[in-house]
Amino acid sequence: AQSVSQHNHHVILSEAASLELGCNYSYGGTVNLFWYVQYPGQHLQLLLKYFSGDPLVKGIKGFEAEFIKSKFSFNLRKPSVQWSDTAEYFCAVTAILQGGKLIFGQGTELSVKP
Amino acid sequence: ETGVTQSPTHLIKTRGQQVTLRCSSQSGHNTVSWYQQALGQGPQFIFQYYREEENGRGNFPPRFSGLQFPNYSSELNVNALELDDSALYLCASSLVTGELFFGEGSRLTVL
Repeated sequence: AQSVSQHNHHVILSEAASLELGCNYSYGGTVNLFWYVQYPGQHLQLLLKYFSGDPLVKGIKGFEAEFIKSKFSFNLRKPSVQWSDTAEYFCAVTAILQGGKLIFGQGTELSVKP
Repeated sequence: ETGVTQSPTHLIKTRGQQVTLRCSSQSGHNTVSWYQQALGQGPQFIFQYYREEENGRGNFPPRFSGLQFPNYSSELNVNALELDDSALYLCASSLVTGELFFGEGSRLTVL
């Protein structure tokens, strides 16, 4: 069965610090990969996605993620976080042709101190 | 703003009752997926509807059922509510293999 593991439950950073959130998935076939963000009181929003091609994916708000197939990983990065990045971040995976059936990780809560 | 609207936003039920949650999908989207997000957890896939037919189901019992209407709006029904059904229920619309657009969810509390 597919599964997604996010390494950190809660991360606390100061503004301007660099961010890396780990995500590993378990699935033997071809996958699509996603990072979603949920700001307090708001709906889930797509940060970035990987379907194929360049394994370094750039998303909105300065976020990027790198797909390393050999490590089954899709880590999220941002060089310099802002207070407004405080949110919960979810990594998700879906098998090819199962577009709506996302398997989510348990989430990482990011708190950025001003 | 995703164009996906859910109702009601909050509701409280007691064990054994039944609940219906509603979702209006984004214009042009023919696929609706439902997710359950328990406190402190990531969303879990319940099921997906494509052109009014169930098109995939997660590990949820049959008392979780759904409908999709010709205008692609959708309902999630849960019968015989249990305390563990307390969660945020998320609806997402998409084209069948496209990006999901989520609503803000319906928060269900079962007492």
